[in-house]
Amino acid sequence: QQQVKQSPQSLIVQKGGISIINCAYENTAFDYFPWYQQFPGKGPALLIAIRPDVSEKKEGRFTISFNKSAKQFSLHIMDSQPGDSATYFCAGGLIKAAGNKLTFGGGTRVLVKP
Amino acid sequence: EAGVAQSPRYKIIEKRQSVAFWCNPISGHATLYWYQQILGQGPKLLIQFQNNGVVDDSQLPKDRFSAERLKGVDSTLKIQPAKLEDSAVYLCASSDRQGGNYGYTFGSGTRLTVV
Repeated sequence: QQQVKQSPQSLIVQKGGISIINCAYENTAFDYFPWYQQFPGKGPALLIAIRPDVSEKKEGRFTISFNKSAKQFSLHIMDSQPGDSATYFCAGGLIKAAGNKLTFGGGTRVLVKP
Repeated sequence: EAGVAQSPRYKIIEKRQSVAFWCNPISGHATLYWYQQILGQGPKLLIQFQNNGVVDDSQLPKDRFSAERLKGVDSTLKIQPAKLEDSAVYLCASSDRQGGNYGYTFGSGTRLTVV
């Protein structure tokens, strides 16, 4: 059962452009929604995260927009740079005393052309 | 701060053979996770430990996969016997009890190829 659906699977953007990745979730019990960035040969690294009581969160060139009623959230990468070329994963997270549990989307491969 | 260490980085085995992966989490992190990442997909949780106890192993194929975390620090994940569909990257991650930054720290993974 895929609880987090991510689109598109891949996208190409010119340097300086905006990359937009969308996710939809089914489990309304999720407590937070993180985005991870993964470079080839490396593990995913936390990029930015949002709680469901917030509609938008911005950190530098990265912004999460969250729509609770639609059960959707998105990542916007402003002024995309070649160094942003990576695979991005959205996730739904459950906060538990024994440790948080993440359910990942399928990933989006982003290529930023110089 | 040292990251999550995993070894080996790569492993190629024939089907029906056995293989083991090792993980050393960040010092002091009580929670340890093993994820399976098949090429082109997002990571999928296999097992979660809190100290040396299993919290969640509902998605671990227990007929062939096993994992342990002795003394609540290092962990090993074993596959016996391996199948072709086990080809994937096996990621280890750790977090502190509260996970206050909402994130885990992942290791670089072990890429397993079963031929």
